[in-house]
Amino acid sequence: AQTVTQSQPEMSVQEAETVTLSCTYDTSESNYYLFWYKQPPSRQMILVIRQEAYKQQNATENRFSVNFQKAAKSFSLKISDSQLGDTAMYFCAFMKHVGGAGGSNYKLTFGKGTLLTVNP
Amino acid sequence: DTGVSQNPRHKITKRGQNVTFRCDPISEHNRLYWYRQTLGQGPEFLTYFQNEAQLEKSRLLSDRFSAERPKGSFSTLEIQRTEQGDSAMYLCASSLVPGRSSNQPQHFGDGTRLSIL
Repeated sequence: AQTVTQSQPEMSVQEAETVTLSCTYDTSESNYYLFWYKQPPSRQMILVIRQEAYKQQNATENRFSVNFQKAAKSFSLKISDSQLGDTAMYFCAFMKHVGGAGGSNYKLTFGKGTLLTVNP
Repeated sequence: DTGVSQNPRHKITKRGQNVTFRCDPISEHNRLYWYRQTLGQGPEFLTYFQNEAQLEKSRLLSDRFSAERPKGSFSTLEIQRTEQGDSAMYLCASSLVPGRSSNQPQHFGDGTRLSIL
């Protein structure tokens, strides 16, 4: 079974600064996907960024980028130029690659989340 | 893009009552997922459908829980004889079927927050 660990329950950052959220995971799979989802207060969960494990290049989406260290099973999220609207709970999630053993290529396994507050 | 829609947004009920939630996925999405999120935790997988077929159920889904997707479009999640421990946010997500070498992201609804008195 896969596990996802987010060791920072809460973090805060000043507007316009950079913040990094940590995520580690445990799996015996070699092919998988990793995701960061954002859940603003009382609003729906939104996909921020995703990474295929077979790709060495780190994914980027505008102000969001990841540092994927496959050997260390680490998948951190960096948010540059933080904005007030970035205030949210951030979840790291894991999914086996399509066609993985056991056919469990659909289920997202989430960490407990990191509450990020961006201060003006 | 109307997104994933869930109704109701909030449900308060007495212990022992039955409740039913509805999820309308993004129209072209053939996969539909249910997750449960308790306070301070990340979402936990409950079950998923591909079209009308329910293909997997988590051990979290006791026999008091039943989910349907009768025509492969909307889905309902029913909880019978509710218990205090059922209080949670119930999230629905939908996606396209992943390809051989690609992944299709799951799009989430706003969730239904269930409170058991």
